Amino acid sequence: KAGVTQTPRYLIKTRGQQVTLSCSPISGHRSVSWYQQTPGQGLQFLFEYFSETQRNKGNFPGRFSGRQFSNSRSEMNVSTLELGDSALYLCASSYTGGSYEQYFGPGTRLTVT
Amino acid sequence: QKEVEQNSGPLSVPEGAIASLNCTYSDRVSQSFFWYRQYSGKSPELIMSIYSNGDKEDGRFTAQLNKASQYVSLLIRDSQPSDSATYLCAVKVGGADGLTFGKGTHLIIQP
Repeated sequence: KAGVTQTPRYLIKTRGQQVTLSCSPISGHRSVSWYQQTPGQGLQFLFEYFSETQRNKGNFPGRFSGRQFSNSRSEMNVSTLELGDSALYLCASSYTGGSYEQYFGPGTRLTVT
Repeated sequence: QKEVEQNSGPLSVPEGAIASLNCTYSDRVSQSFFWYRQYSGKSPELIMSIYSNGDKEDGRFTAQLNKASQYVSLLIRDSQPSDSATYLCAVKVGGADGLTFGKGTHLIIQP
């Protein structure tokens, strides 16, 4: 079974721009979660989507948003990029809410200049 | 505020020995506990999950959970150089929020 895929793998953006990242979960998985990983803060939860609905949201500003499509694929968007948004953005999929075992994709490395 | 604490290390263990990684968490209603391994430049890989008090074994890995002490640990037997990585402890509280991660313990297995 194919794993979680994320595109693009690397991005360089300028402050003030916006960016959209994409995630395709493991086949059959209906829950997609997004995380931000930085050296200083570690892995931090952004939001979770299940059946096209945002189920949970972490403590991030409204510039960070996401959505999920009927095929469970998910996108996250960051508007008005700031230098501090430079990070590895990780998507994780899980079958459903039950066991919460989450499987991570390779991540998108975003650099904001 | 939910917190997950891990010793950042590095923890250096000779090849063939047992590596012991520890994690404490602050939220008493935490229900699900996970260990992830992350190699440098890679994404986290799930290696163990544990939901009830006691031990859970999977190959060379044993996860131990003590909810009364709010403590979860990971033992790696017969440590190999390929086990050298950062090990992340993650906790989930019921249906709320995502996983809360510790900052990770950097493990070095010395040949």
